[in-house]
Amino acid sequence: GENVEQHPSTLSVQEGDSAVIKCTYSDSASNYFPWYKQELGKRPQLIIDIRSNVGEKKDQRIAVTLNKTAKHFSLHITETQPEDSAVYFCAASSGSNYQLIWGAGTKLIIKP
Amino acid sequence: DAGVIQSPRHEVTEMGQEVTLRCKPISGHDYLFWYRQTMMRGLELLIYFNNNVPIDDSGMPEDRFSAKMPNASFSTLKIQPSEPRDSAVYFCASSFQGYGYTFGSGTRLTVV
Repeated sequence: GENVEQHPSTLSVQEGDSAVIKCTYSDSASNYFPWYKQELGKRPQLIIDIRSNVGEKKDQRIAVTLNKTAKHFSLHITETQPEDSAVYFCAASSGSNYQLIWGAGTKLIIKP
Repeated sequence: DAGVIQSPRHEVTEMGQEVTLRCKPISGHDYLFWYRQTMMRGLELLIYFNNNVPIDDSGMPEDRFSAKMPNASFSTLKIQPSEPRDSAVYFCASSFQGYGYTFGSGTRLTVV
């Protein structure tokens, strides 16, 4: 079955710098890759997603890139702000059962 | 749309008691998922439904856990009898065709 690995587990960056979180997946049939942000004590919220027919997608300061050959995808946050501090989860699913397989999460700390 | 609605938000119960968690998915969504989140184990998928039919309950920890979805707008997760190790945040999420999961606010369960 699918397995998703996420790195790093903790990432500390200076406010204003960029942050990159990387995930790898094992199932070549996976075709949907969302990213979720979870602030302390709150629900996970979808921030961006990408499908396998696209290599990159941007939404303001957030972008996701996908390399299907290497089976990895990354979240890029530019010009980080204090409100970006949260745990970020990547996930992957194939069309066969629509079940998301989750990464273990990355705690992003933005230093003022 | 009010989003995915879960109740109660907090539940404190004594060991051995029955606990029922409730979820109303987003209207029109055909998938419903129950997750459990703890610091130690992260996000765990317990069970999911497609068009009110349970598809995969392999994540349900043991027979003390049961879930139902009697119609498209309501689902329950029941724990009977509850144990202290069941203490966690339980999330319900819904999606349309497996894309763009939306999570509810969660139920924080404490079993004493």
